Amino acid sequence: SAVISQKPSRDICQRGTSLTIQCQVDSQVTMMFWYRQQPGQSLTLIATANQGSEATYESGFVIDKFPISRPNLTFSTLTVSNMSPEDSSIYLCSVGRSAYEQYFGPGTRLTVT
Amino acid sequence: DAKTTQPPSMDCAEGRAANLPCNHSTISGNEYVYWYRQIHSQGPQYIIHGLKNNETNEMASLIITEDRKSSTLILPHATLRDTAVYYCIDHSGSRLTFGEGTQLTVNP
Repeated sequence: SAVISQKPSRDICQRGTSLTIQCQVDSQVTMMFWYRQQPGQSLTLIATANQGSEATYESGFVIDKFPISRPNLTFSTLTVSNMSPEDSSIYLCSVGRSAYEQYFGPGTRLTVT
Repeated sequence: DAKTTQPPSMDCAEGRAANLPCNHSTISGNEYVYWYRQIHSQGPQYIIHGLKNNETNEMASLIITEDRKSSTLILPHATLRDTAVYYCIDHSGSRLTFGEGTQLTVNP
């Protein structure tokens, strides 16, 4: 399994600002994903981060709100733009050899005030 | 798309086997059953997966019924550190879809 780190681990942000979350993997991986976990709820896939091309977003998530970069096979960023309190969640990145066997980072706990 | 049903919560005594059921009656013939767990304040952790044969690894065993409509994840000797939410994964296209899972509480 890969070792995945995320920065920051947590943050408190003001409404209307943006936060960029970094995900670093210790080995090259093909598949990389971003998830959101709202308080007390299960995980929801935001998008698949594609190396060298635009991310593939799930229904209900748009690039203007959650721009994603993936400049290489070991790194990706997720930006939460123009934040509101409803964006308060844990954001997790994951990597995998397949879409089903994934390894998750520790998550970024975001609170928007 | 396969849909899974799990009990919302279960309790288990430390040292005993924990048997976590999952119904996936609409799973198609070539779809695997995947299990993950999420310990509080951590990211989900892959446990095991299977297609039709029973599987075992260092973490757990997976028993899949012959008709593939249900499966059971077995933690043979549960410890307090196994307290977590356990997810039997629904296949929706080419992505993982997490349901609500089963909150397993291992009691001393």
